[in-house]
Amino acid sequence: DVKVTQSSRYLVKRTGEKVFLECVQDMDHENMFWYRQDPGLGLRLIYFSYDVKMKEKGDIPEGYSVSREKKERFSLILESASTNQTSMYLCASSVPVGPDEQYFGPGTRLTVT
Amino acid sequence: QKEVEQNSGPLSVPEGAIASLNCTYSDRVSQSFFWYRQYSGKSPELIMSIYSNGDKEDGRFTAQLNKASQYVSLLIRDSQPSDSATYLCAVNRDRSGNQFYFGTGTSLTVIP
Repeated sequence: DVKVTQSSRYLVKRTGEKVFLECVQDMDHENMFWYRQDPGLGLRLIYFSYDVKMKEKGDIPEGYSVSREKKERFSLILESASTNQTSMYLCASSVPVGPDEQYFGPGTRLTVT
Repeated sequence: QKEVEQNSGPLSVPEGAIASLNCTYSDRVSQSFFWYRQYSGKSPELIMSIYSNGDKEDGRFTAQLNKASQYVSLLIRDSQPSDSATYLCAVNRDRSGNQFYFGTGTSLTVIP
């Protein structure tokens, strides 16, 4: 079974703090993704990585950066957290060929106060 | 125009009935189609994938794809209260990572 884990289920941070969200997958998947999910807006792609050290911006990259130093780990960084970044953050992974389903981690509910 | 459109619901069906969930997509060249189930406060869980026209059955779930009409559906037979969740339709346009689009989901309630 594919396993995607995220470092925290719930996180509370203050405005202006630097926030790190970690994601690890154990299936040797090339592709990894960070989404945020908000009521009424659905899942929105923040960043996507298709290989180590490779990344592409998604639909809403502003205020975020990412790091992928190892194949299994993809980190999302909020450089200076703001209240409008309060959301559910979801990490996913997939392979680029063959069955291309995305598998999700459990999510991190981030609250910025 | 949204890439993937779903009726947000809520859809309510009695226990034991068939639940029918529908999804349309905008890009005719889309190649891969998925249904995810998401319980409140949890992450999406893949339940079905379909790649070619027609029906695909897995237990109580049947996915139907009609590429000519750009339409994907999910049927849940013998609906159970545990099926109550939001169902997300997703489409991958060209199998590259950044062409993967999700609908906003349909909320399903199965009434005991």
